[in-house]
Amino acid sequence: DSGVTQTPKHLITATGQRVTLRCSPRSGDLSVYWYQQSLDQGLQFLIQYYNGEERAKGNILERFSAQQFPDLHSELNLSSLELGDSALYFCASSPHRVGDREAFFGQGTRLTVV
Amino acid sequence: KNEVEQSPQNLTAQEGEFITINCSYSVGISALHWLQQHPGGGIVSLFMLSSGKKKHGRLIATINIQEKHSSLHITASHPRDSAVYICAVISYNTDKLIFGTGTRLQVFP
Repeated sequence: DSGVTQTPKHLITATGQRVTLRCSPRSGDLSVYWYQQSLDQGLQFLIQYYNGEERAKGNILERFSAQQFPDLHSELNLSSLELGDSALYFCASSPHRVGDREAFFGQGTRLTVV
Repeated sequence: KNEVEQSPQNLTAQEGEFITINCSYSVGISALHWLQQHPGGGIVSLFMLSSGKKKHGRLIATINIQEKHSSLHITASHPRDSAVYICAVISYNTDKLIFGTGTRLQVFP
């Protein structure tokens, strides 16, 4: 158990809908990272938050947004969903920057858009 | 060309064999991760390296910063080692994680 909790584990929704994925980092970790793993693109970094503020942005679509709350949990919001958004979405946490410390991954949320 | 290249893409081994997975990268990095993704999808961080060598049980990871190369070794492989192993580097300039495409390892009894 990495200590990172993601909910829900599975999500099935229709095209055009909006969903929210939740991540609770390990106790004491200030950084939260979101990743998307799709069949054709592999693992892609989406966005990083550190202590409530956006710190780094990767290949995140404009339809997607994230935030980190004062209690350090994070939510990834996916809107106007398309079939191609079906993927595993992982969250990871670390005490500081990824470069300085190991990252701990959640079990992922499997999103299926139908 | 991908910034992070792994080889081989697929690897089959007999139980007990010594396994090596290689990772080469073309960007300046502040650290490198080796990740293990189980068939169910879960990801475990095995190592984070910025220099030298680390060992954890039967797993050994090495990195050569000058040559921009890292290796993951598994000694006395076991069927439970069957997984996808992913190399990921943290770009020194952007602080973003860049992933390799992974190496799928199958260890047969």
